[in-house]
Amino acid sequence: DTAVSQTPKYLVTQMGNDKSIKCEQNLGHDTMYWYKQDSKKFLKIMFSYNNKELIINETVPNRFSPKSPDKAHLNLHINSLELGDSAVYFCASSPSASGSWEQYFGPGTRLTVT
Amino acid sequence: RKEVEQDPGPFNVPEGATVAFNCTYSNSASQSFFWYRQDCRKEPKLLMSVYSSGNEDGRFTAQLNRASQYISLLIRDSKLSDSATYLCAADTGRRALTFGSGTRLQVQP
Repeated sequence: DTAVSQTPKYLVTQMGNDKSIKCEQNLGHDTMYWYKQDSKKFLKIMFSYNNKELIINETVPNRFSPKSPDKAHLNLHINSLELGDSAVYFCASSPSASGSWEQYFGPGTRLTVT
Repeated sequence: RKEVEQDPGPFNVPEGATVAFNCTYSNSASQSFFWYRQDCRKEPKLLMSVYSSGNEDGRFTAQLNRASQYISLLIRDSKLSDSATYLCAADTGRRALTFGSGTRLQVQP
């Protein structure tokens, strides 16, 4: 199936731990993103990469570190997890060549920090 | 002021009704606009792009009004399966989209 996939789907962990979320797309897109959707359902961009180059780095704590080993993968590592990090994290990709930046989302990773 | 604003709803409508959502955007430089649908505990899914000339896909019609900086989505003959949250999005000029907080639609039998 052509899609954006993320692992894991669910992540329950304790404060202070370090965790990673992985994302892969096989749509051939050049640009990938991480979004955070909080309990109020507001979808906020965190990072974007274009061909492995960091393009957008919003005001996100530096405990969050994205890494793009190639244009089909974008991972997110989170250090020293805090209660406020609990949210759904969505990966997305975009066919930047079209110039319109429509985005296709992965299924999300529901992170719960206890 | 948020970059993209939507009425959160909920809009409760009977099956068969026509319902319209508006969304305003603040960045006059935005060039591309979209409507997404998000079901509970699922990812947003692209519903349709919004063009200046307006576009229609079956029961769904999207319109863009650049002068007033809003986009709209019209759903005709609502189905129970249309119940979801509808997110509008506008490009930021930085190779990304900014999303509204969504409008919840509940279609009732």
